[in-house]
Order: sequence, then structure tokens, then C-alpha cells
Amino acid sequence: DVKVTQSSRYLVKRTGEKVFLECVQDMDHENMFWYRQDPGLGLRLIYFSYDVKMKEKGDIPEGYSVSREKKERFSLILESASTNQTSMYLCASSHASRGARPEAFFGQGTRLTVV
Amino acid sequence: AQKVTQAQTEISVVEKEDVTLDCVYETRDTTYYLFWYKQPPSGELVFLIRRNSFDEQNEISGRYSWNFQKSTSSFNFTITASQVVDSAVYFCALRRGSTLGRLYFGRGTQLTVWP
Repeated sequence: DVKVTQSSRYLVKRTGEKVFLECVQDMDHENMFWYRQDPGLGLRLIYFSYDVKMKEKGDIPEGYSVSREKKERFSLILESASTNQTSMYLCASSHASRGARPEAFFGQGTRLTVV
Repeated sequence: AQKVTQAQTEISVVEKEDVTLDCVYETRDTTYYLFWYKQPPSGELVFLIRRNSFDEQNEISGRYSWNFQKSTSSFNFTITASQVVDSAVYFCALRRGSTLGRLYFGRGTQLTVWP
């Protein structure tokens, strides 16, 4: 089974802190994604990566950065956490090629609270 | 641009009723993929089904069935004889045929099944 693991289920951080959210997948997927989920807004794409050291901005990249030094790991960084970044963060991964299964698989989510 | 619309924000049914979740999508691509995901209260998005744009065959899997119609750009999901365990948020998503593989999500439908 595909496994996407996020480092924490729950996090509480203070305003201004630098926050790292880690995600690891074990299926050799080329693509990895970070979404945030807020009530009434659905899932919004923050950043995605289609290869090691490659990244693309999603729909709401402001206030975030990412790092992908190894194929299996994709990190989301909040440079200076703010209260409006309190949210559920979801990591996902998928294959790139058309010949492979196109569906994305998700981690269990990290509920971040910034106080 | 790609867009997925789930017009039903919330649906409530009583156990054993049938329920259909609607999904309408927009894309100019000729090759694309459609998905349904389930998000139970635990938070993880669980992949349910995938449909390719060139395969309009409808599918039944146990109590679940999916109706894909390109003519109306719809990909609806029906649960027959609903159960309390079906209570969750259901998301419809679209992926373009390119390798980058980002998903475009609808805002989700909260389904509550009452005993």
C-alpha cells in the first residue's frame, strides 16, 4: 500500500516562529504536493514539486516555502508563522507518467494552530 | 482553466436511503482524469475511484456507483443503502493529462447519515 506520512498530527506554534512540516512517501512518486484545507474553502494548493529540487507555486504560496532535497521527502516551511496560517495541512504524492496510476495519495494531515 | 464544482455543500439522509453527490467539471483538455475522495472525521483523504476522459463506462463497486457523462461534464457518485459509516466529506477532483499532475478539487460535500 502507498504510504504518505506527515511528521505531526497536531502542532501548536507561536506567532513569528519558523515552522517545518515534513512529508515522506514510500512509493517512488515523482510529484508531491502541499495543500491547506479551511472550512468553506476546500483544499487549496500551496506548492508542488515534480522532481528533486524542483518546485512550482500553487494558488496560495505567500508566506510559505518548500524544500525537496530527496525524492521521498517534501517539506513545507512557514518562515514566520502567523495566526492566519492556522489550518489543516495535507501532503500528497502521485506518479508523473501517464502509464502509471494518476491518482494522488494523501497523508493523515497536520492540524496547525498558531497562537 | 480547470474548475470543479460541487454544488451541494451539505446533505443529510437517514440510514438505508440512497444518495447522489453531484460533480461538474470544466476543462479544455481532451485527456484528463476524474477522482472521488472521501474524508472521514479523522482527516485523511481516501482515494475511492478514478475515471479517464476516454472511458465513459459507468462503474459499480458494492454500494457505490459512479456516472461519468462527458456530454454534461458530470461525474456523479451514488451511495445505495447509505450507512452511518458513510458520513464524511466527499471531494471530486480533476487532473489534467500532463505529467505535472496537480489536482483541482471541488469544495466538497458534507454527507451526514443518521441512524
